[in-house]
Amino acid sequence: DADVTQTPRNRITKTGKRIMLECSQTKGHDRMYWYRQDPGLGLRLIYYSFDVKDINKGEISDGYSVSRQAQAKFSLSLESAIPNQTALYFCATSGIERGLWSETQYFGPGTRLLVL
Amino acid sequence: DAKTTQPNSMESNEEEPVHLPCNHSTISGTDYIHWYRQLPSQGPEYVIHGLTSNVNNRMASLAIAEDRKSSTLILHRATLRDAAVYYCILRVPGANSKLTFGKGITLSVRP
Repeated sequence: DADVTQTPRNRITKTGKRIMLECSQTKGHDRMYWYRQDPGLGLRLIYYSFDVKDINKGEISDGYSVSRQAQAKFSLSLESAIPNQTALYFCATSGIERGLWSETQYFGPGTRLLVL
Repeated sequence: DAKTTQPNSMESNEEEPVHLPCNHSTISGTDYIHWYRQLPSQGPEYVIHGLTSNVNNRMASLAIAEDRKSSTLILHRATLRDAAVYYCILRVPGANSKLTFGKGITLSVRP
């Protein structure tokens, strides 16, 4: 089973709709991240969370919100979707590994979102 | 933040070594050099990282220039499965460090 899972894997929605993308991890990591990837570009950070009580904006947080429901779950919401939010969204985690802090990030398979 | 510069693309033949360059002329003394790769239709995955000395792992080797202003990711024997986008990323270790992705270099592997 994958360590980082994302649901849904694909989503089509209409402008103005509220949608939520979910991320779950079984790695026991404290830190979780949401990234967005547009065609031909690298990933850009939307939000990140270093523990359940910590939420931080990334470089492109406008139009998005997040919720860290538990250590293992981090959700990304688009309150009112717009077409330029059409993109590939990735969740990632990092944390303690073999008793030592590791900065390696582990990514989920991505959610492909199309806003019409 | 210090930035990295990579060629847009590179081609290789299967079973031959591949050297993927990265320039980071404004690197600071505390920046680690990380490499991730993204296979088609997948999320990025960690490849290797280093600070000053060359590093080897089961996936690749990382050669770091003596002045640290450039580095090279070496795949010793390319396979078709190594076709991916490879990202060279600088990170300052610490509690608030995050990954900043550029466009990366697209590696194509010819059979």
